[in-house]
Amino acid sequence: QLQLQESGSGLVKPSQTLSLTCAVSGGSISSGGYSWSWIRQPPGKGLEWIGYIYHSGSTYYNPSLKSRVTISVDRSKNQFSLKLSSVTAADTAVYYCASYIVVVGAFDIWGQGTMVTVSS
Amino acid sequence: EIVLTQSPGTLSLSPGERATLSCRASQSVSSSYLAWYQQKPGQAPRLLIYGASSRATGIPDRFSGSGSGTDFTLTISRLEPEDFAVYYCQQYGSSPPALTFGGGTKVEIK
Repeated sequence: QLQLQESGSGLVKPSQTLSLTCAVSGGSISSGGYSWSWIRQPPGKGLEWIGYIYHSGSTYYNPSLKSRVTISVDRSKNQFSLKLSSVTAADTAVYYCASYIVVVGAFDIWGQGTMVTVSS
Repeated sequence: EIVLTQSPGTLSLSPGERATLSCRASQSVSSSYLAWYQQKPGQAPRLLIYGASSRATGIPDRFSGSGSGTDFTLTISRLEPEDFAVYYCQQYGSSPPALTFGGGTKVEIK
């Protein structure tokens, strides 16, 4: 059974770069048919897709965040990462990593989420 | 970008009642790529429905999805106590590849 676990800094200063990692267990990050995604949820608000990376390495980002986002994969560690630069208080949110089944267009497995606060 | 509008914002119902949740898209969405999720407080979302009408693994048959084009519906036939939660719809568009979520519908106990 595939499991995902987020890790990273829970507090980031304004203008700095948010960095999170998602460890994948119970399966290979190189498996075809999946892409690996980040989604966030500001406190008390709805879900926002940040972006994803295909097993091939191709990346796609939310246009509203594209200039600040980088998603990458480390196959040797079976994990993928998110970097979001120039953060502001508006980036305060619970950040989820999730596996995305390409053929059905849905997120089937989610990490538990990690709260990131942007504050000086 | 396709915008998904969910209604109502809040649905107040009693256990045993039927819940009907709406998700309307700003332009046509492929039925193959419309999904529904359930989220309880403090938890990650859980996939309920994909492909507009296919239940995910382990999802009870009281949950059903329907619709096409710009109008989609999630129906919970008889609400169980554990069904009171927030529900989100989500679509995938391929040109360019992008995903959007609806704003959510909260199903609360009346």
